[in-house]
Amino acid sequence: EVQLVESGGGLVQPGGSLRLSCAASRFTFKNYAMSWVRQAPGKGLEWVSAISGSGGSTYYADSVKGRFTISRDNSKNTLYLQMNSLRAEDTAVYYCANDRDKEAVAGIWDAFDIWGQGTMVTVSS
Amino acid sequence: DIQMTQSPSTLSASVGDRVTITCRASQSISSWLAWYQQKPGKAPKLLIYKASSLESGVPSRFSGSGSGTEFTLTISSLQPDDFATYFCQQYNSYWTFGQGTKVEIK
Repeated sequence: EVQLVESGGGLVQPGGSLRLSCAASRFTFKNYAMSWVRQAPGKGLEWVSAISGSGGSTYYADSVKGRFTISRDNSKNTLYLQMNSLRAEDTAVYYCANDRDKEAVAGIWDAFDIWGQGTMVTVSS
Repeated sequence: DIQMTQSPSTLSASVGDRVTITCRASQSISSWLAWYQQKPGKAPKLLIYKASSLESGVPSRFSGSGSGTEFTLTISSLQPDDFATYFCQQYNSYWTFGQGTKVEIK
């Protein structure tokens, strides 16, 4: 069974930085696009960023563009989210999520069939 | 940007009820729509993809329909395990979620 395990969350001051990681137990990790999705306390889901299987294409929500950077290391089956210039409104549980189908089959736009357990990011002074 | 509007925001129902949740897209998304179930403190779980395809392992009481801009999720006979929050998501271009529908016990 494929699993995603996030780490790296915590408390950070406004303007600070944090790097999230998502380790995948999937041998064919490189064949799947991956995303980060966040959920502010008591709120709905917000897609944050996505990356193609090769890492060559990246996508961002307007709310994080220029501040967050998504990347992946396919040799380590790990997805990352570097978050800089953090704001109070970035406070949320951050989930990594896996596209349902291989990118070669479905392209990058796909539903998410596997989610991590989430890691909490709190931006506060 | 494609906006997704779900209704209702909250739904009170009893075990055995037939429940329908609606999701509208601000422009046509063909059938590129998914439905998720989320319970408190847990990650979302994929129920339906491509508007009407049931994800493996999901009970058959869940069904989805629609195309273009109007979509529905139906639970044919609500079970105790189904009390949760449900989100629609478009993946025609980027990804956008609806605001969620909380199904609570009547």
